[in-house]
Order: sequence, then C-alpha cells, then structure tokens
Amino acid sequence: EAAVTQSPRNKVAVTGGKVTLSCNQTNNHNNMYWYRQDTGHGLRLIHYSYGAGSTEKGDIPDGYKASRPSQENFSLILELATPSQTSVYFCASGTGGAGDTQYFGPGTRLLVL
Amino acid sequence: GDSVTQTEGLVTLTEGLPVMLNCTYQTIYSNPFLFWYVQHLNESPRLLLKSFTDNKRTEHQGFHATLHKSSSSFHLQKSSAQLSDSALYYCALSDANSGTYQRFGTGTKLQVVP
Repeated sequence: EAAVTQSPRNKVAVTGGKVTLSCNQTNNHNNMYWYRQDTGHGLRLIHYSYGAGSTEKGDIPDGYKASRPSQENFSLILELATPSQTSVYFCASGTGGAGDTQYFGPGTRLLVL
Repeated sequence: GDSVTQTEGLVTLTEGLPVMLNCTYQTIYSNPFLFWYVQHLNESPRLLLKSFTDNKRTEHQGFHATLHKSSSSFHLQKSSAQLSDSALYYCALSDANSGTYQRFGTGTKLQVVP
C-alpha cells in the first residue's frame, strides 16, 4: 500500500505569515494532490500535480501555491496565511488515469490566528 | 460544472438496521467513474469501493453500490449496520475516459448506535 507522509502534523501560524506544508510519498506515484477538509464542504481540491515540475490548479487555488520538486515531494505554500485558511489539509497520491485510487496522508491541522 | 451531491450530512442508525447513503452526481462525462471513500475518526480517507459499469453491483467489506447512469446515482448500502461502520463517507466522481481528478461530495457522517 502507498505510504504518504505529511509534515508538520499540527501547525499554528499567525495571520500574514508564510506556511509550508510538506508531503512525501514512497510508492512512485505520478499524481499528487492537496485537499482541505472543512465540515459542510467535504474535501476540496486545492492543487495537484502530474509529476515532478508540474503543478495544476484545483477547485480552490486562491491563496495557495504548490511545488513539486521531485516525484516524491509535493508542497503546499501559504504565502500570506489568513484565518480562513484554518483547516485540515490532506495530501494524496495516485497512479493517475481512470479509476485511480487515491492514497491519503495522515493530514495536517493548521490553525491561523 | 461537475458536481456530487450527498444530501444527508448526518445519518444515525441503530445497530443491525440497513444502511443507505445517498449519492447523486451531475457531469458532462459520458463515462463517469464513481467512488466511495470512508474516513474513520482521527484517520485519513481510504477507498471503500469504486465503479464505472452501469447497473453492475460492486461490493467490498460488506458494503455495496450500483452505478445507475439513468438516474445519475451511486448509493452506498449495507444490509446490517455495525458500530464499527460509524465514520464519514465521501462519494467522488471522475471521468473514466480521461482520468481527470476526482471531485468529492460534502460527505455523510454515519453514526451507528447500540
């Protein structure tokens, strides 16, 4: 089974500060995804990537940047964090293609004060 | 645009009763691929089952679902709820032809009580 890890697991940030969430996967999956999870909204896709050097906008990219420097690593960057970005963030990976099963990391709880 | 609708935010059931969680979708895809993910408390979502075949029952771990393109539905069912089924369930949609990213519904929390 795919192994997806995230760091940090918990983060408290100040409004206007920069936050970087990291994700690492060890199963050589091409595709990686960043979601946020909020009650009443479910899982919403922020950014995704088809491979090293690629980043694509998801459904809610505003206020977020992404970076995929290698097959294994995919980062989510909040340049100027706001309280509305307080959420649980999940990274996922998958092989891509039809019927792709996504394997999720353990999540990062972010609180922006 | 494409969307997934899960009308129930919370479903509370007594142990032993049947489970049915609703999922309907809207899409431009001629061949939609539907998924159910389950997320237990303090865990991350994991795939429960998936299907792109019209009118074919798909089963896994006691749960089953049938994709009905005529009604754009992919409801999740189980004959008898167990306490351990208490979790958050997400329905998701992608395109079977192009493998576009999955779009998730808002989720249904299933609470099974003794």
